[in-house]
Amino acid sequence: NAGVMQNPRHLVRRRGQEARLRCSPMKGHSHVYWYRQLPEEGLKFMVYLQKENIIDESGMPKERFSAEFPKEGPSILRIQQVVRGDSAAYFCASSPPSSNEKLFFGSGTQLSVL
Amino acid sequence: GESVGLHLPTLSVQEGDNSIINCAYSNSASDYFIWYKQESGKGPQFIIDIRSNMDKRQGQRVTVLLNKTVKHLSLQIAATQPGDSAVYFCAEGGGGADGLTFGKGTHLIIQP
Repeated sequence: NAGVMQNPRHLVRRRGQEARLRCSPMKGHSHVYWYRQLPEEGLKFMVYLQKENIIDESGMPKERFSAEFPKEGPSILRIQQVVRGDSAAYFCASSPPSSNEKLFFGSGTQLSVL
Repeated sequence: GESVGLHLPTLSVQEGDNSIINCAYSNSASDYFIWYKQESGKGPQFIIDIRSNMDKRQGQRVTVLLNKTVKHLSLQIAATQPGDSAVYFCAEGGGGADGLTFGKGTHLIIQP
């Protein structure tokens, strides 16, 4: 049983470029969550998605950030025109259809903006 | 706004001793609580969870205690081992929010 898979593990971008982070949930899981973590900080909720639907995006910045979870394929967190402040670890988590409480996390993508 | 917080950012214990990590929460509507362990460079790993209709739950070497009166949650680790070194996060769920709300974390350091 593969866990939550995220790629890439490390992503380096220059200011103004786009960053695309991918997340494949655990098999059988239909809920996906994205969290951001700064060094020495906790995880901050960004967005909650189900297949083809954004359920809660209250934690997403109003500009440059978007997320999707298509019918086929992984969930994508997209950051346009990255700035240095976007540098962080981005974690994806998934949960089964029956619960949105116990989340299973991936290993994260460390985004570094030069 | 309401949030989950932790009393101490760092806890240092001797190998073999018991560790107690504390957490305070303020959202009285939360009905689910969970502890995660995060090792350096890795994602959070589930340790144990508890619902608000319970005040204690035990796992393997770990116990979670919930005191709803003072909105306090603790994680007890018995016979702490070097592999327990990590940052421990408490998180709360329910209360009308989607997903989990995390605290800042406590860094547990094991001394030989």
